Amino acid sequence: AQTVTQSQPEMSVQEAETVTLSCTYDTSESNYYLFWYKQPPSRQMILVIRQEAYKQQNATENRFSVNFQKAAKSFSLKISDSQLGDTAMYFCAFMIKSSGDKLTFGTGTRLAVRP
Amino acid sequence: DAGVTQSPTHLIKTRGQQVTLRCSPKSGHDTVSWYQQALGQGPQFIFQYYEEEERQRGNFPDRFSGHQFPNYSSELNVNALLLGDSALYLCASSFTLSGWYDDEQFFGPGTRLTVL
Repeated sequence: AQTVTQSQPEMSVQEAETVTLSCTYDTSESNYYLFWYKQPPSRQMILVIRQEAYKQQNATENRFSVNFQKAAKSFSLKISDSQLGDTAMYFCAFMIKSSGDKLTFGTGTRLAVRP
Repeated sequence: DAGVTQSPTHLIKTRGQQVTLRCSPKSGHDTVSWYQQALGQGPQFIFQYYEEEERQRGNFPDRFSGHQFPNYSSELNVNALLLGDSALYLCASSFTLSGWYDDEQFFGPGTRLTVL
């Protein structure tokens, strides 16, 4: 079975600064996807960034980037120039490519951006 | 594009009752997945529907059942409600092309179910 671990229940960052959220996972599969989802108070889960396991290059989306360490099974999210609108729960998620789009989520990190 | 929609927004039931939650997928999507998100937890996969059939299922009892209609919308039914069924129920849609799974799921805003 696949597991996803987020060891930081809560994080806080000053507006305009950089913050890194941690995620580790465990799997014996070699072909999979990793995701970071954002869930603001409105509850709607929004995809922030995704990474395919076979790609060595780390994914980036504007202010969001990941540090994907496949051997260490680590997938951290870096948010640069933090904005008040980044305040939300952030979930790391995993999907085995061969099993369709069933996502396995971590327990989340609550991020607060301070003005 | 309306995105994924869910109804109702909130629901209060008592133990032993039955509940039906509804989901309309994003335009162009044919696959619907349901997740249960307990307070303070990450979402847990319940099941997934494609071509009006349950394609895969998570570790949930048979009290949880579903249906997909020809227009790809879906229902989640929960029978004999327990206090522990109180949670946010999320619907996600995606597109399956000839068995090739799209890796991106779009989520709805969820239905908050409270069981008293």
